[in-house]
Amino acid sequence: NAGVTQTPKFRVLKTGQSMTLLCAQDMNHEYMYWYRQDPGMGLRLIHYSVGEGTTAKGEVPDGYNVSRLKKQNFLLGLESAAPSQTSVYFCASRIGVRTTGELFFGEGSRLTVL
Amino acid sequence: DQQVKQNSPSLSVQEGRISILNCDYTNSMFDYFLWYKKYPAEGPTFLISISSIKDKNEDGRFTVFLNKSAKHLSLHIVPSQPGDSAVYFCAASASGAGSYQLTFGKGTKLSVIP
Repeated sequence: NAGVTQTPKFRVLKTGQSMTLLCAQDMNHEYMYWYRQDPGMGLRLIHYSVGEGTTAKGEVPDGYNVSRLKKQNFLLGLESAAPSQTSVYFCASRIGVRTTGELFFGEGSRLTVL
Repeated sequence: DQQVKQNSPSLSVQEGRISILNCDYTNSMFDYFLWYKKYPAEGPTFLISISSIKDKNEDGRFTVFLNKSAKHLSLHIVPSQPGDSAVYFCAASASGAGSYQLTFGKGTKLSVIP
């Protein structure tokens, strides 16, 4: 059971380039999330999805887009990367049926924008 | 406005002693609280949680205390071990319709000194 898998684990981009981070979960969870972690800032929610075909904005959505075409996958896109998007990105999933359900996190994707 | 606050960025404790990590929240709608532990280069992992109907929850060496009137919770680790050295995040959620998100604090880095 792989849990939550993120690809790629590391990526270096130049300013203005685009890329997509892929998150896959095999736990049949309804809810999926993308967070970013920056030094001294904790975990900040970028976007989330409460089911296939749905997405919603979190705390820091600007500069990012997401898609949830399949229940098990949640994609995070950067259309025109900026140095301020240098961060570690974490995907997480949650059962969804119980609002008190814990989040299961992936191992993270470290993105550097030059 | 930060709804979940961890005012101590770091904490050092001697092995075998008690570690106490603190968390304050401002949103009175929060009724479920979780602690996550994060090692470097890994995703956060769930540690322990508590519902607002309780004031204490214990799991082995880990105990979480909730003081609703003070909007304060704490995580006690007894005895502390070197393997407990990690960043600890406090998180909170509100139950009910539309409550899909966990709000995280900025984290406290615990160092357990052998």
